[in-house]
Formats: sequence, structure tokens, C-alpha cells
Amino acid sequence: AQKITQTQPGMFVQEKEAVTLDCTYDTSDQSYGLFWYKQPSSGEMIFLIYQGSYDEQNATEGRYSLNFQKARKSANLVISASQLGDSAMYFCAMLMDSSYKLIFGSGTRLLVRP
Amino acid sequence: GAVVSQHPSRVICKSGTSVKIECRSLDFQATTMFWYRQFPKKSLMLMATSNEGSKATYEQGVEKDKFLINHASLTLSTLTVTSAHPEDSSFYICSASGEGRYNEQFFGPGTRLTVL
Repeated sequence: AQKITQTQPGMFVQEKEAVTLDCTYDTSDQSYGLFWYKQPSSGEMIFLIYQGSYDEQNATEGRYSLNFQKARKSANLVISASQLGDSAMYFCAMLMDSSYKLIFGSGTRLLVRP
Repeated sequence: GAVVSQHPSRVICKSGTSVKIECRSLDFQATTMFWYRQFPKKSLMLMATSNEGSKATYEQGVEKDKFLINHASLTLSTLTVTSAHPEDSSFYICSASGEGRYNEQFFGPGTRLTVL
């Protein structure tokens, strides 16, 4: 069965420092995509970054980078130079190419301290 | 681009009434739309997947007669919570795919439903 696991319910980081949010996944599919979404208190889901299962290089989008280790089935999100506006819930999700469904992890609440 | 709207953003209704939530893709044609439910401090739970012109596919445990989904066009899907009860109170989020470079889903801002 497909599953996404986020083991950190809450994280603190000091402003301007980097933080890593963990995500591991389980699937028997060969083709899949991994996403990270940010959900601020307003509730909207904001797409941050994507990693395809066949991508050899780690994805980067501005201050976000994805540390993809396929053999370990992990897709950790790294946020560099944290800002106060980064305080939010972060969800890791897996898109099954076979079904186009997104499976979400339980989320990590990040709090950036000034 | 790739903006999804939801209306209303908040609704309060009495037990036993029906509530309709609209989800629109504003600047693209959505081949597929999804409806999620989110409880406080929890993750998103997929309720159903809908394609334009066809019946929605519901996830296991989701009552079809309770949560009616209509995908009338490539830009509009509606979720109707019929005979709402307090346990239906939740945050409902729709998403749409069809435009993204990675086949990603673009999410609406969500609708907070409170049933008294």
C-alpha cells in the first residue's frame, strides 16, 4: 500500500537558519511524483516543490530544495534562510502516476522564531 | 496562472439543511477535480475524484448520497453536503489538475463548514 510518513509533528527554527523537514514514502510503483505543499493558517495549500521518481538531480525552487534519496525512499524538504513567513504546516505528498491521486503525509508544523 | 477559487469561504448552517460548495478553475481547463476534507490539525483526506461529464469516484468510506459531486464543466465542480449534521463540520478543499507542468494539483482556498 502507498503511504507517506512525516515523523515530525512540530519543528522550531531560528530565523535565517536552515531547516529540514523529513518525509519517507512507501510504494511499489516505479513511476511517481513527490510534492511538498505549505499550508498557512489561512488554509490554502501552496505548491512548493516537485521531484519525479526518475529525476536524477535534486529539485530546487528558490529557498526550497528537496533531498531525494530514492533507495531510502525519502524526500526531505530543506528550507534555507528561514523567514517568519515560513511558519506554517508543511505536507509531503505522493502522486501516483497510475491513479493521479495525491496521498498526503500527516504534516509538520514549522514555527520560525525571530 | 492556475488559480482555483472556492465559494463560499465560510458557511454556517442548521442541522438538516443542504449546503453547496463551488470549485472553479479560473484560468485553465481542469481535466480532473478533487475534493478533500480536513479535520483540525490533521492531514487532507481525499473524498472523491471527478471528471467533467462523468460520475465522481468516491473513496472508500465516503457516502455518495451524503456528499453529492457534480462536475458540470471543465471549470466547475460542486460538492453538496446533503442533510448536514454537526459531524459534517469540517474544512473542505477542492483541487484541480490539467495545467501543471508536473501534473500537480492546484488547490482552492477551502471552505469552512459549521453545522449547528
